[in-house]
Amino acid sequence: NAGVMQNPRHLVRRRGQEARLRCSPMKGHSHVYWYRQLPEEGLKFMVYLQKENIIDESGMPKERFSAEFPKEGPSILRIQQVVRGDSAAYFCASSPRGTTQETQYFGPGTRLLVL
Amino acid sequence: AQSVSQHNHHVILSEAASLELGCNYSYGGTVNLFWYVQYPGQHLQLLLKYFSGDPLVKGIKGFEAEFIKSKFSFNLRKPSVQWSDTAEYFCAVNPRSNDYKLSFGAGTTVTVRA
Repeated sequence: NAGVMQNPRHLVRRRGQEARLRCSPMKGHSHVYWYRQLPEEGLKFMVYLQKENIIDESGMPKERFSAEFPKEGPSILRIQQVVRGDSAAYFCASSPRGTTQETQYFGPGTRLLVL
Repeated sequence: AQSVSQHNHHVILSEAASLELGCNYSYGGTVNLFWYVQYPGQHLQLLLKYFSGDPLVKGIKGFEAEFIKSKFSFNLRKPSVQWSDTAEYFCAVNPRSNDYKLSFGAGTTVTVRA
């Protein structure tokens, strides 16, 4: 599953700056999922996107966080005006069709540190 | 909402020892169950999954897991570990009715001493 690419792998931001995390799904996959892992916790679902559509953003914080998956290019998770509590590992996963019982393939994650 | 608990935060073993990692979930409906592994510096990889059928599931690298519905458990086992099994192991669950939304346990770090 090395096909799911995330960059950067590590990102350091100061409070108030913006963080942009990128995810390129595996070739042929049109469904993308973002998860966040806070220290000492399991991964938590944030958002599910298809090309140009947000399907489920029930796990996204109401403010400062947004996600997109444009027709061309990677999926972007954007965090505006970062705070220390945003420090976490952010994982992206992809699947081919988003159908029942489909396996999600994960990327290596982006470790965000907010100073 | 479903939740997943993994019993051990850190397990230390010697090579050739047997491994069992506990996983319990809370959800009233039908679920799919997964174990993922993350080796140092690598991606999360799927070890095995259970959707239906035989509750004893065989995965890669000699791992297996048993789904016990009455106990809401999906424990992972390996009879004889190797140094290369050093990794973090995550149990995950999603409900059949909404099955893209995985819920993960906090993970168990397994260290195998040579």
